[in-house]
Amino acid sequence: TQLLEQSPQFLSIQEGENLTVYCNSSSVFSSLQWYRQEPGEGPVLLVTVVTGGEVKKLKRLTFQFGDARKDSSLHITAAQPGDTGLYLCAGTNQAGTALIFGKGTTLSVSS
Amino acid sequence: DTGVSQNPRHKITKRGQNVTFRCDPISEHNRLYWYRQTLGQGPEFLTYFQNEAQLEKSRLLSDRFSAERPKGSFSTLEIQRTEQGDSAMYLCASSFTGGIYNEQFFGPGTRLTVL
Repeated sequence: TQLLEQSPQFLSIQEGENLTVYCNSSSVFSSLQWYRQEPGEGPVLLVTVVTGGEVKKLKRLTFQFGDARKDSSLHITAAQPGDTGLYLCAGTNQAGTALIFGKGTTLSVSS
Repeated sequence: DTGVSQNPRHKITKRGQNVTFRCDPISEHNRLYWYRQTLGQGPEFLTYFQNEAQLEKSRLLSDRFSAERPKGSFSTLEIQRTEQGDSAMYLCASSFTGGIYNEQFFGPGTRLTVL
């Protein structure tokens, strides 16, 4: 069974701090996606990482895919209140159809 | 360019009633997915269509649930004889077969509350 575990589950920080959230699995994924979800809304795709060791940057967000393609991390530099939300990682199932999601990391950034 | 839309956004119903939700995917996307999300969890896969064919169903999709995509465009998800445990956010997503890496784009969801 393919599972994705995210940590930490909750993170509450002050504006300007840096943070890292993790997404780990014992299974290899051909790609992993990161989504951000706000309360009462659907997940919004942030990035897809596909190559082991790959690093992608999206403004203050840095995404890394592990060399073995079993894990990924999201680092946010100088967090802002607008970064508040649920961050979800997801990988495609073995059939190449459904996405398997982690439980997510709930981030709260206060000013 | 419109994204995935879902209606209604919220539905409150009494236990035992039937409910139906609608999803309109991004127009050029031929794949459509339904997921369910409960509090504190990530979305969980329910079912998947390619064009009008329902190709995959999760074990979560009990006999009370049925989904259709009659013309390969919009889709409906019906829950019969709702139970309190059906209370959740129901999410629809779409993607394009020719797209790489199975990137799926989600609608805003339908929040179901069963009293």
